[in-house]
Amino acid sequence: EVQLVESGGDLVQPGGSLRLSCAASGFQFGNYLMSWVRQAPGKGLEWVAHITQDGSEAKYVDSVKGRFAISRDNSKNSLYLQMNSLRAEDTALYYCVIPWGHWGQGTLVSVSS
Amino acid sequence: DIQMTQSPSSLSASVGDRVTITCRASQSISTFLNWFKQTPGRAPKLLIYSISNLEDGVPSRFSGTGSGTHFTLTISSLQPEDFATYYCQQGYNTPHTFGQGTKLEI
Repeated sequence: EVQLVESGGDLVQPGGSLRLSCAASGFQFGNYLMSWVRQAPGKGLEWVAHITQDGSEAKYVDSVKGRFAISRDNSKNSLYLQMNSLRAEDTALYYCVIPWGHWGQGTLVSVSS
Repeated sequence: DIQMTQSPSSLSASVGDRVTITCRASQSISTFLNWFKQTPGRAPKLLIYSISNLEDGVPSRFSGTGSGTHFTLTISSLQPEDFATYYCQQGYNTPHTFGQGTKLEI
């Protein structure tokens, strides 16, 4: 059974940093492009970033370019999102996704002073 | 960026009704159109991919049509478990934008 378990969400002050992790199991992790999608409280879905199977290429939504970095460790079946210079508008539930049929349950990031 | 516009934003219906949700893309997205269902407190669930292909386990009352920039999701006979929020999404290019959502209510 495919499982995606996110962790690392927390309450952080504006300007702070967080690293989200996604532990994957039940499939050949290294064979799949992986994505992060977020959802602000009471709002819609926003694609954040994706990374290719070998980690050689990453794409980002403009609002996070230069602040967020997606990465993966195929030996550990893990996906990451390093989030720097966090802003209030980054407050959201962050989902780890195998596009597009498998989603984790999300980890909550709150940016507030 | 490709903009995805859904209509209506909300919809009131009853069990047994036939409902259609529309999604328009700001430019052609070929066949790279997906539909998701989300219920409160749950992660989104893929219903339909590539315009009209039902994900495994999705009931046949769901169907998707369209081409180019205009797409529709139809539920032929609403069931109680169908009351949820539905999103379209384009996978044509990044950022893989979503529509704003359609909340289907009783």
